[in-house]
Amino acid sequence: KAGVTQTPRYLIKTRGQQVTLSCSPISGHRSVSWYQQTPGQGLQFLFEYFSETQRNKGNFPGRFSGRQFSNSRSEMNVSTLELGDSALYLCASSLDRVIAGQYFGPGTRLTVT
Amino acid sequence: AQSVTQLGSHVSVSEGALVLLRCNYSSSVPPYLFWYVQYPNQGLQLLLKYTTGATLVKGINGFEAEFKKSETSFHLTKPSAHMSDAAEYFCAVSGLEKLTFGTGTRLTIIP
Repeated sequence: KAGVTQTPRYLIKTRGQQVTLSCSPISGHRSVSWYQQTPGQGLQFLFEYFSETQRNKGNFPGRFSGRQFSNSRSEMNVSTLELGDSALYLCASSLDRVIAGQYFGPGTRLTVT
Repeated sequence: AQSVTQLGSHVSVSEGALVLLRCNYSSSVPPYLFWYVQYPNQGLQLLLKYTTGATLVKGINGFEAEFKKSETSFHLTKPSAHMSDAAEYFCAVSGLEKLTFGTGTRLTIIP
């Protein structure tokens, strides 16, 4: 079974621009979560989607948004990029409940200049 | 609120020696606990998880962890370290459909 895939793997953007990251979960998984990883803040939860509905949300500003499609694929969008948004963005999928165990993709490395 | 604390941001062990990575948790409800490993420039790989039942959990690559409620701990061990174990390890607790991670422990293996 193919793992979680994320595209693109690397991205360079300029302050003020917006960006969209994509995640395809493991086949059959209906829950998709997004995390931000930085050296200073570590791994922080952004949001989680299940069956196209946002089920939980972390403490990030409204510039960070996401959505999930009927095939469980998910996208996250960051508008008005700031230098501090430079990070590794990780997508994780699980069958239904997060407690069943989340499986992570390789991440998208976003650099904001 | 749930949280985990990983004691020791860096741990070094000799090849063949015991690996012990420490994790303590705080949870207002029965916790679900996880260990993940991250190799450079990669995502996180699930090593093992504790949900309910047996308190000694065996994972991949020879790792295991023991859930001790009285000590609120979930330490990760491996009897004999291998060079390929060098990576960063994260302990996490699950609640409200999200994982809360510790700050990570970087494991270095000395040849």
